[in-house]
Amino acid sequence: EVQLLESGGSLVQPGESLRLSCSASGFTFSNSDMSWVRQAPGKGLEWVSFTSGSGGTSRYAGAVKGRFTISRDNSGNTLYLQMNSLRAEDTAVYYCAKMSSWYFEVWGRGSLVTVSS
Amino acid sequence: DIQMTQSPSTLSASVGDRVAITCRASQSVSRWLAWYQQKPGKAPRLLIYKTSTLGSGVPSRFSGSGSGTEFTLTIDSLQADDFATYYCQQYNTDLYTFGQGTKLEIK
Repeated sequence: EVQLLESGGSLVQPGESLRLSCSASGFTFSNSDMSWVRQAPGKGLEWVSFTSGSGGTSRYAGAVKGRFTISRDNSGNTLYLQMNSLRAEDTAVYYCAKMSSWYFEVWGRGSLVTVSS
Repeated sequence: DIQMTQSPSTLSASVGDRVAITCRASQSVSRWLAWYQQKPGKAPRLLIYKTSTLGSGVPSRFSGSGSGTEFTLTIDSLQADDFATYYCQQYNTDLYTFGQGTKLEIK
């Protein structure tokens, strides 16, 4: 069974940094493109970042480009999202998702990031 | 960037009804359109990809249609388990965009 488990979410102050992790199991992680998608409280879904299976290709939404970095450890089956210069508008539940081609096939349960002073 | 607009934003229906949710793209996305279901406090679940292909384990009462800029998610014979929020999603030029969501409520 494919499983994705996010961790690392917490309450941070504006301007601080945070790293999210997503532990994957039940599939060949190194062959799978992965993404982060977030959802602000009471709002809709927003794609954040993508990485190819090898980690050689990354993409970012405009709202996070230059502040967030996606990476992966294929030997440890883990996806990361390094978030720097956090803002109040980054407050959201962050989901990692296994991609199949261009759509989000399987989702984790999410990790809550709260940015507030 | 391509914008996705869903209608209606809220839909009230009864068990057994047939309902349709529309998703319009600001420019053509061919058939690169997916639909997701999300229940409160839960992660989204893939329902349909490439406009009309059902995801794994998705009941056949769900169906999708359309192409270009207008797409429809149809649910036949609504079940109690179907009351949730539905999102469309497109893929174009290495970017992924979701609609704002349609909340399907019990009438």
